[in-house]
Amino acid sequence: GAGVSQSPSNKVTEKGKDVELRCDPISGHTALYWYRQSLGQGLEFLIYFQGNSAPDKSGLPSDRFSAERTGGSVSTLTIQRTQQEDSAVYLCASSPGGGRTYEQYFGPGTRLTVT
Amino acid sequence: GESVGLHLPTLSVQEGDNSIINCAYSNSASDYFIWYKQESGKGPQFIIDIRSNMDKRQGQRVTVLLNKTVKHLSLQIAATQPGDSAVYFCAENGGTSYGKLTFGQGTILTVHP
Repeated sequence: GAGVSQSPSNKVTEKGKDVELRCDPISGHTALYWYRQSLGQGLEFLIYFQGNSAPDKSGLPSDRFSAERTGGSVSTLTIQRTQQEDSAVYLCASSPGGGRTYEQYFGPGTRLTVT
Repeated sequence: GESVGLHLPTLSVQEGDNSIINCAYSNSASDYFIWYKQESGKGPQFIIDIRSNMDKRQGQRVTVLLNKTVKHLSLQIAATQPGDSAVYFCAENGGTSYGKLTFGQGTILTVHP
């Protein structure tokens, strides 16, 4: 079946511009996560959505970052007024939730470059 | 092992050898641990997990060992193959009841034919 998809795969933007990154989770998965991976680093948790519950935004690095999940499915991560330090690969993952919440299936990521 | 910045630990092995990748985790409240494999240009892929009430778990060609006393995890890969070449990450749940994971910085495994 289809896995997690993300778009665009690559995004180059100028400092100060806003960007939107999209994630399509696996159908039926109730939990969705965003992570950031800087060059040569592990993954940094950003935000978590579970069903209709309030999201856990504790990992968002600044108020320039926000995310939405519409209809319990597709999610958009928005970065306003991008800075060079925002350059990274942004990874989305989904999981079935419940007792299988740790089974996270990752998308291929969006590589963001801020010039 | 641990590293800082861009200098990830590396492990080079010959095809057919056994590989052992180590990870020191930080949060004593963590009760769930996962190993992920990440190939170049792809997202991480689940390999194996272990709960804190276990000290060993085996999968297909892989074994995870957990030592809670010293907060150490290891991933053993038997008969390593060139297709195993990737970056390997351990992750811990920090005691959370949902899937918020904290990842280590990773180890680069290179398998030579």
